[in-house]
Amino acid sequence: KNQVEQSPQSLIILEGKNCTLQCNYTVSPFSNLRWYKQDTGRGPVSLTIMTFSENTKSNGRYTATLDADTKQSSLHITASQLSDSASYICVVRGGTGGFKTIFGAGTRLFVKA
Amino acid sequence: NAGVTQTPKFRVLKTGQSMTLLCAQDMNHEYMYWYRQDPGMGLRLIHYSVGEGTTAKGEVPDGYNVSRLKKQNFLLGLESAAPSQTSVYFCASSYSTRRDLNTEAFFGQGTRLTVV
Repeated sequence: KNQVEQSPQSLIILEGKNCTLQCNYTVSPFSNLRWYKQDTGRGPVSLTIMTFSENTKSNGRYTATLDADTKQSSLHITASQLSDSASYICVVRGGTGGFKTIFGAGTRLFVKA
Repeated sequence: NAGVTQTPKFRVLKTGQSMTLLCAQDMNHEYMYWYRQDPGMGLRLIHYSVGEGTTAKGEVPDGYNVSRLKKQNFLLGLESAAPSQTSVYFCASSYSTRRDLNTEAFFGQGTRLTVV
């Protein structure tokens, strides 16, 4: 069964600290993995996309990694800011023909001053 | 830059009432989608469309209908609302995934629907 599991469910960190969010998937065959940021009351916005051949990709203070062998991805946030408070959603595309898109339940991040 | 616009933003319905959610995109995207987001769950696909005049069922289509009469608009209808349809609904659009599997989906701001 194609699944995407994210951990932790929620996380509280102090402003300026780093954190890492995890995503494990069982989607096969794999096409790509995308991380979205969803602010409260808004729609998800893409942060980065990882394809099979990519191990790491950065977007400012966000760095995503992908291990296609173990089917794991992580999103590392450096020097967190209050504006990083949001839900982070891992989305995997794959399946036969690559047309299946599976959303994780998200990690809710709270950054405190 | 409007992107994907959903109306209304909030709505409260009584059980059995009907309503239509409107989604409009100005990016000339071929594909459009309707999702629902419930606490503790990932977004689930209700219906989608790969082009004007075409629609298809997603993962959780029961109780919903859709129409795509114009390329830029995708309507989601609830004929007889039930409390189980209380959720946040998101519309999204993208270029054809048949041309590019890595194409990005752009989301609207969501519609919070409560059925009492």
